[in-house]
Amino acid sequence: QVQLVQSGAEVKKPGASVKVSCKASGYTFTSYGISWVRQAPGQGLEWMGWISAYNGNTNYAQKLQGRVTMTTDTSTSTAYMELRSLRSDDTAVYYCARRGSGSSPIDYWGQGTLVTVSS
Amino acid sequence: VIWMTQSPSLLSASTGDRVTISCRMSQGISSYLAWYQQKPGKAPELLIYAASTLQSGVPSRFSGSGSGTDFTLTISCLQSEDFATYYCQQYYSFPRTFGQGTKVEIK
Repeated sequence: QVQLVQSGAEVKKPGASVKVSCKASGYTFTSYGISWVRQAPGQGLEWMGWISAYNGNTNYAQKLQGRVTMTTDTSTSTAYMELRSLRSDDTAVYYCARRGSGSSPIDYWGQGTLVTVSS
Repeated sequence: VIWMTQSPSLLSASTGDRVTISCRMSQGISSYLAWYQQKPGKAPELLIYAASTLQSGVPSRFSGSGSGTDFTLTISCLQSEDFATYYCQQYYSFPRTFGQGTKVEIK
């Protein structure tokens, strides 16, 4: 069965960086992409970006350009999302999610990783 | 950027009711629309994709319709486990925007 298992909760100070991992299993990793979505406390879902696990192509939300980097390690079927220069409004649950090639919906989600940014 | 207007933001209903949630796009997206259900403290789950195709395992009381700019999610007979927040998402173009969400609460 498809599983996406994310790393544990993080507490960071403003200005620091965080790197969240997402280990995939139950499917051929390189046949799909990984999207990252975040949700601030009590708020809706915000799409952050996407990476192709096949060739590493990425597409990032404009508001995060320059602060976010998404990568994959195909040898371990793991995706990573690094966010730099953290601010308090980056406090959120961060989800990784599987997405097919081309115009495909997200069909499986990780359990989420809470990132708290606080001085 | 494709802007999405999801309505209502809050819907109060009773078990057994038929409820509808709307999602309107700022430009046409053909049928590249998905609906997700999210319960408190949990990750979202895919309900419907391609505007009207039920994801495997999703009860048939859920249905989706629409194409172009106007879409609807319908729950034909609300069950207790359906009280949750629902989101639409377009996957026609980047960025893959989400609707603002509709919380379905017990009346």
